[in-house]
Amino acid sequence: GAVVSQHPSWVICKSGTSVKIECRSLDFQATTMFWYRQFPKQSLMLMATSNEGSKATYEQGVEKDKFLINHASLTLSTLTVTSAHPEDSSFYICSARDVGVGYGYTFGSGTRLTVV
Amino acid sequence: AQSVAQPEDQVNVAEGNPLTVKCTYSVSGNPYLFWYVQYPNRGLQFLLKYITGDNLVKGSYGFEAEFNKSQTSFHLKKPSALVSDSALYFCAVRGYSGYSTLTFGKGTMLLVSP
Repeated sequence: GAVVSQHPSWVICKSGTSVKIECRSLDFQATTMFWYRQFPKQSLMLMATSNEGSKATYEQGVEKDKFLINHASLTLSTLTVTSAHPEDSSFYICSARDVGVGYGYTFGSGTRLTVV
Repeated sequence: AQSVAQPEDQVNVAEGNPLTVKCTYSVSGNPYLFWYVQYPNRGLQFLLKYITGDNLVKGSYGFEAEFNKSQTSFHLKKPSALVSDSALYFCAVRGYSGYSTLTFGKGTMLLVSP
């Protein structure tokens, strides 16, 4: 089946620095990818929809200048957390729509971000 | 707007007993329904889906789910639970529109005791 690779699996950074998370579709082209954020013991919150070759669509309440999304190719989307603060610490998961899952989604393995 | 309700934060079951994790949904038109499982610090793994056809859907690891349109439910079931089934389970729904995104329930922690 389709595979979505997410990197890094975990990252620790200092407050004020930026962190980039990559999401790659390994064996299929993903014109659309999705970025989620998950707080401990809570559900996934959709942050934004990443569209290849165009601007991302952000959900209400998500700061587009803080969470920069770039989808420059059909197999790669990146999420950059800019000027990170401890409250940005969370689990971030990307996904891509996968026809092989019957119009569902295949997910990356997630990135645990800790801002100290 | 579409939504998913998972009424139980946690389900406890003894190994070898049947398990049920409940899910109800709300969506305009016909739904696409999914169950995913998440292990600690990992992404979501696809278990099964309902798109159309038979109401009883069989998926990975012996799990199955029954689509009930009148009750707008899609409960996850397994005849005999394993300790290794202990994980966080998410029900999700999306509409038929190509622009429809996936909406998740809050998740249900399944704990299977030896």
